[in-house]
Amino acid sequence: DAGITQSPRYKITETGRQVTLMCHQTWSHSYMFWYRQDLGHGLRLIYYSAAADITDKGEVPDGYVVSRSKTENFPLTLESATRSQTSVYFCASSEPRGHSNYGYTFGSGTRLTVV
Amino acid sequence: GENVEQHPSTLSVQEGDSAVIKCTYSDSASNYFPWYKQELGKGPQLIIDIRSNVGEKKDQRIAVTLNKTAKHFSLHITETQPEDSAVYFCAASKGGSSNTGKLIFGQGTTLQVKP
Repeated sequence: DAGITQSPRYKITETGRQVTLMCHQTWSHSYMFWYRQDLGHGLRLIYYSAAADITDKGEVPDGYVVSRSKTENFPLTLESATRSQTSVYFCASSEPRGHSNYGYTFGSGTRLTVV
Repeated sequence: GENVEQHPSTLSVQEGDSAVIKCTYSDSASNYFPWYKQELGKGPQLIIDIRSNVGEKKDQRIAVTLNKTAKHFSLHITETQPEDSAVYFCAASKGGSSNTGKLIFGQGTTLQVKP
């Protein structure tokens, strides 16, 4: 199916465990983003990527690792999960044209609970 | 860094009334302003956007206005319906040679439309 898909939709993990959230898009968009959404904080950028093998930190990168070996995939790894990382995680993609930005397309989100 | 302030945080209107959500941005180089609607349990979805070369844009019951001098933009929803109930986010980004593709989001407005 065309679009942007995130997996899993729900995940419960224990403190200290490593967990990877997956994001896959079928449009070959250059840009991909990871946000977390917490009550009272809106959407906060964790990491983003302008192209394969190019990633950069966002507003709240600590405790997270990303990679982008292929244009269509942008996994987010929590190296050692903490309770403060309990959140809803959204992946998004976009394709700027020249110097102009266009809106993101978001995935459906992953609800992560760290116990 | 760039900041986007969004008001109000919650808004309750009667069905058929109008709703207005306002955002201000800090970076005068911003030139792209999208609005997103997020329904419960779903990812944000782009509903309308405006670029800095226009002052107003309409799409059926939704309109967005932009005042570049004052650095603020607003979402207007007319003839509200219960299905308009959702969280709305504004965002801003800048293009040009320093374009990173990033959107800076406001904190969100929870709109409730009462039947």
